[in-house]
Amino acid sequence: SYELTQPPSVSVSPGQTASITCSGDNLGNKYACWYKQKPGQSPEVLIYQDNKRPSGIPGRFSGSNSGNTATLTISGTQAMDEADYYCQAWDFNTAVFGTGTKVTVL
Amino acid sequence: QLQLQESGPGLVKPSETLSLTCTVSGGSISSSDYSWGWIRQPPGKGLEWIGTIYYSGSTYYNPSLKSRVTISVDTSKNQFSLKLYSVTAADTAVYYCARHETSGPGVDNRDYFDYWGQGTLVTVSS
Repeated sequence: SYELTQPPSVSVSPGQTASITCSGDNLGNKYACWYKQKPGQSPEVLIYQDNKRPSGIPGRFSGSNSGNTATLTISGTQAMDEADYYCQAWDFNTAVFGTGTKVTVL
Repeated sequence: QLQLQESGPGLVKPSETLSLTCTVSGGSISSSDYSWGWIRQPPGKGLEWIGTIYYSGSTYYNPSLKSRVTISVDTSKNQFSLKLYSVTAADTAVYYCARHETSGPGVDNRDYFDYWGQGTLVTVSS
């Protein structure tokens, strides 16, 4: 079965840039999306189709996808960005979520 | 504003069937632009897609759960439902229903989950 691997945790200082990777076999040939989840809340889509932002998502969130790795970048990280982040892609009509990354804003 | 609301028992005994319903309000479940999915999250763990249904009734299931899952849709009630059979403690999780935009019909690799329910915790225990 297809797997998406993320680092368990990423730490970032306020105002700095955080990068979260998502690795999967030939992921660049698929579309990646990213979700943010705060404790006790439902996930919220941040990025879809590799690099598109839904309305209402701040411009400091951006995405890219090439080769075997998709990347979510948070520029000018704020305290409110502290959360769990999940990537997701489709493989043969099956939705696959990444293992998840906890972002800590120090 | 679209809203999704999960409902069903919060406690299920081992070997029995978990049954949940998602009621959609503020939009039609019969739209050809969307499919409807179930995702779960065990306590303290990551997200796992269970399956998706299109308004026509076409279904797509996670291969790891396919033998124990049925997802159905009731367009007259604007609801879709999940049944998970022969549950064990490993099925204890928060269960979310969600909508995904589809370039389908059904599912497409461009799809993403844009609206989620608040989630409901289902515990499997005797």
